[in-house]
Amino acid sequence: DSGVTQTPKHLITATGQRVTLRCSPRSGDLSVYWYQQSLDQGLQFLIQYYNGEERAKGNILERFSAQQFPDLHSELNLSSLELGDSALYFCASSDGLAEETQYFGPGTRLLVL
Amino acid sequence: GESVGLHLPTLSVQEGDNSIINCAYSNSASDYFIWYKQESGKGPQFIIDIRSNMDKRQGQRVTVLLNKTVKHLSLQIAATQPGDSAVYFCAENHPSGYSTLTFGKGTMLLVSP
Repeated sequence: DSGVTQTPKHLITATGQRVTLRCSPRSGDLSVYWYQQSLDQGLQFLIQYYNGEERAKGNILERFSAQQFPDLHSELNLSSLELGDSALYFCASSDGLAEETQYFGPGTRLLVL
Repeated sequence: GESVGLHLPTLSVQEGDNSIINCAYSNSASDYFIWYKQESGKGPQFIIDIRSNMDKRQGQRVTVLLNKTVKHLSLQIAATQPGDSAVYFCAENHPSGYSTLTFGKGTMLLVSP
């Protein structure tokens, strides 16, 4: 158990809909990262937040957004969902310093029908 | 190795053998590397890390070797056990100061009893 929690574990929705994925980092970690894992793309970095502020952006679509709250939990919002958004979404957390290990949550499996 | 579509490079070994999983990383400026293990349906789990000022680091039954000259990383698992069966990812940290990781495509390790 990494100490990172994610909810929900599974999510099934329809195209065009909007969903919110939630992540609670390990106790004491200030940084949260979101990743998308699909069969053909591997693990893709989406976005990082540090202590409530966006710090780095990766391959995140404009239809996706995230935020980190004062209690350090984070939410990833996916809107106008398409079939291709079906994937595993992982959250990871770390101290937020350079060269620090990221610890991953169990993931949310999203299926868009 | 590189993955093609849905197919990951696969290493099949017998229980008790030593396993070597290889990874070619992309950025010569990367200064921190991590190996993760991902079991089916779970999030990536930290195994071992190494900084660029080292060329070898040992853990419990695992050793990571770093060759910066050819941008190559390897993970050696001693006395491989069926519980080691998983997908293994290497990840590199770009020295942007923000601890963002770029993941390789992964290698599937299959251990037969």
